[in-house]
Amino acid sequence: AQTIHQWPVAEIKAVGSPLSLGCTIKGKSSPNLYWYWQATGGTLQQLFYSITVGQVESVVQLNLSASRPKDDQFILSTEKLLLSHSGFYLCAWSPQFNQAPLFGEGTRLSVL
Amino acid sequence: GDKVKQSPSALSLQEGTNSALRCNFSIAATTVQWFLQNPRGSLINLFYLVPGTKENGRLKSAFDSKESYSTLHIRDAQLEDSGTYFCAADSDTNAYKVIFGKGTHLHVLP
Repeated sequence: AQTIHQWPVAEIKAVGSPLSLGCTIKGKSSPNLYWYWQATGGTLQQLFYSITVGQVESVVQLNLSASRPKDDQFILSTEKLLLSHSGFYLCAWSPQFNQAPLFGEGTRLSVL
Repeated sequence: GDKVKQSPSALSLQEGTNSALRCNFSIAATTVQWFLQNPRGSLINLFYLVPGTKENGRLKSAFDSKESYSTLHIRDAQLEDSGTYFCAADSDTNAYKVIFGKGTHLHVLP
């Protein structure tokens, strides 16, 4: 069975500090991978998607970057956090692009 | 304006009753997804739709691409149905991109 694991579960970081959030999918080769962000009490926004290793497409510009260093790994990062980066980050995967994504448990980020 | 508009924004239902949530699109969506976010924040995909209807237990969803709307019907609402329901449509410029509505906060009352 496929599993998706996000880390960390929660982070409290200072404005201007770096950030790295991770996501690993086990049990499925060449998944489509996605990052989403949700401001506290707000709606969801898709941030990035990746169809294959080494290729990441940006959907929304939030001064964040993403990378896919391995087939089963998706990393979200920034060198300098902003207050506006606070919120809930969700990673998801799908077998193909026209199939429903399955989500990780999310990372709750507070930037102070 | 919003490209994906959900209604109502909030709803309270008595347990055992029925309801319908709606999404209207101002983009030429080809697929629609419905999600439930539980109080912990976890997101569950309920339906992935091309034009047509799908049913799963007490939930039924329809997507009419010509009229640019989708509905989610909840029959015999249960307490565990409480949460926030989001719909999302694929972007008319890129099928890999999805745009979410602002959600419907559903509270099922005992």
